[in-house]
Amino acid sequence: DAGVTQSPTHLIKTRGQQVTLRCSPKSGHDTVSWYQQALGQGPQFIFQYYEEEERQRGNFPDRFSGHQYPNYSSELNVNALLLGDSALYLCASSPPATETQYFGPGTRLLVL
Amino acid sequence: AQTVTQSQPEMSVQEAETVTLSCTYDTSENNYYLFWYKQPPSRQMILVIRQEAYKQQNATENRFSVNFQKAAKSFSLKISDSQLGDTAMYFCAYTTNFGNEKLTFGTGTRLTIIP
Repeated sequence: DAGVTQSPTHLIKTRGQQVTLRCSPKSGHDTVSWYQQALGQGPQFIFQYYEEEERQRGNFPDRFSGHQYPNYSSELNVNALLLGDSALYLCASSPPATETQYFGPGTRLLVL
Repeated sequence: AQTVTQSQPEMSVQEAETVTLSCTYDTSENNYYLFWYKQPPSRQMILVIRQEAYKQQNATENRFSVNFQKAAKSFSLKISDSQLGDTAMYFCAYTTNFGNEKLTFGTGTRLTIIP
């Protein structure tokens, strides 16, 4: 049983560019959450998707957007990249109506 | 707003010894869940243990156990017989009991197990 997978593992972009990160949830999980983890910090909640809709959102600007597909996989899009967007982006999935989230290995984004 | 505080940025302990990591939190909710996650250098965030606030019994998972003090809003993690593979960042996290809610994390404790 595959766990949560994310792609790519690493990414380098320049300021102003756009990026798309991808996540496939664990089998049987229908909810996907995205977190940003700056170096030396704890993860910060970006948003959560359920039934193809954004259900909750953290304190992140509209440059951060997402999508969830019918197979529950999800994308995180960031427009107009800033240097401060450099971070580890973590995807987590959870089964229906539960509180425990399982994390993927993350995507390391570097903005130059 | 819920907050999670980890006051020990770094800790180190000899292999086979016992170590306790501290976590305090603030919430106005009566029912909620608390977690400890481990993040080794590989970056993968791994669930170590979870505690349901309405359960008085402290959770245990093999060498890992918690001391949950609800009135004091304290949730410490004890690692017994520490192993080199326990070297990692440890994050305390909180969520409500409404199901599929966001996790609120502390800033983490970097634990090093010394051979």
